[in-house]
Amino acid sequence: AQSVTQPDIHITVSEGASLELRCNYSYGATPYLFWYVQSPGQGLQLLLKYFSGDTLVQGIKGFEAEFKRSQSSFNLRKPSVHWSDAAEYFCAVGAVGGSYIPTFGRGTSLIVHP
Amino acid sequence: KAGVTQTPRYLIKTRGQQVTLSCSPISGHRSVSWYQQTPGQGLQFLFEYFSETQRNKGNFPGRFSGRQFSNSRSEMNVSTLELGDSALYLCASSLWAPGDEQYFGPGTRLTVT
Repeated sequence: AQSVTQPDIHITVSEGASLELRCNYSYGATPYLFWYVQSPGQGLQLLLKYFSGDTLVQGIKGFEAEFKRSQSSFNLRKPSVHWSDAAEYFCAVGAVGGSYIPTFGRGTSLIVHP
Repeated sequence: KAGVTQTPRYLIKTRGQQVTLSCSPISGHRSVSWYQQTPGQGLQFLFEYFSETQRNKGNFPGRFSGRQFSNSRSEMNVSTLELGDSALYLCASSLWAPGDEQYFGPGTRLTVT
């Protein structure tokens, strides 16, 4: 069965510092991979996605993620964090096909110190 | 293009009552999924509808049901509410399948007292 692990429940960074959120997945083939962000009391917003091709994908708000097949990882990065980036971040695994239900990680809460 | 809309945004119900939540997907999207989000369990898949048919179902009791209309709008219903049903209910739409990129609505916050 597929699974997604986000090993860090909370991460605290200073504004302006770089950020890396970890995501490891388990899936039998090359999956679709997503990062979503959720602000308090809101729905999830798609930050970026990987389907195939270039393993480094760019997303919105200055985020990028790198797919590493050998490590089954899809880590999210940002070179300089802004206070407005404080939110919950979810990694998800999907796949083509109508019968595939996506799997979400438990989320990483990002705290940004001024 | 308008995003996914959900109504109402907030609901307070009493144990034993029933509730209906509504979701309007992005125009052209045919797949609508529902999720329950709680601090303890995270994001849990309820069910997915495609072309007015329930195509996928998560591990929730039969008290949770849904439907989809010909314009892809969807409703979910929870009968005989329990305190544990208090959660943020999220609707997500995608073009063809839930495993594809999904676009989420703002959610309906349900509180059961």
